[in-house]
Amino acid sequence: NAGVMQNPRHLVRRRGQEARLRCSPMKGHSHVYWYRQLPEEGLKFMVYLQKENIIDESGMPKERFSAEFPKEGPSILRIQQVVRGDSAAYFCASSPTEGTQYFGPGTRLLVL
Amino acid sequence: DQQVKQNSPSLSVQEGRISILNCDYTNSMFDYFLWYKKYPAEGPTFLISISSIKDKNEDGRFTVFLNKSAKHLSLHIVPSQPGDSAVYFCAASVRSSNTGKLIFGQGTTLQVKP
Repeated sequence: NAGVMQNPRHLVRRRGQEARLRCSPMKGHSHVYWYRQLPEEGLKFMVYLQKENIIDESGMPKERFSAEFPKEGPSILRIQQVVRGDSAAYFCASSPTEGTQYFGPGTRLLVL
Repeated sequence: DQQVKQNSPSLSVQEGRISILNCDYTNSMFDYFLWYKKYPAEGPTFLISISSIKDKNEDGRFTVFLNKSAKHLSLHIVPSQPGDSAVYFCAASVRSSNTGKLIFGQGTTLQVKP
């Protein structure tokens, strides 16, 4: 049973470009969470999704950030017009219910 | 407002000894607590959890203790091994709410010396 998959593992973007981060949950998991870790900090919750629904987006910046979890395919975290402050590690987690969350390896975004 | 705090940024112990990592929280609504271990350039790995209806949970070398009145939990690792060297995060959630979001502490870097 494969774990949570994230791609790409590393992503470099110039200021103003778009970043798309993908997350495939563990088999049988219908709950997906996105977290961001800035350097020297803990993980910060961004958004919680179930298939085709955003359940809690209280941690998402109001502008430029969006997330989706379509009926088919991976969950996508999209950052438009990236700025240097968006440089961070972005982690996806999944769970079968609202229980223990299992994390993917993360995507390290670097904005030049 | 840091609702979950790990006040020790780092901890160093000798192989074979006990490692005790501490975590404090402020939100009395938290009813589920977890510990994760994280190696550099990897995602957090789940270690152990505890519900607020319990005060202790044990899994092999790992034991988590919860003191609700003090809003404090700790992770004990006995005996410590060099492979345990990593960053340890405690996390908390309100399972009874509509969201399963985890609130993380800042992490404690554990170094186990051979």
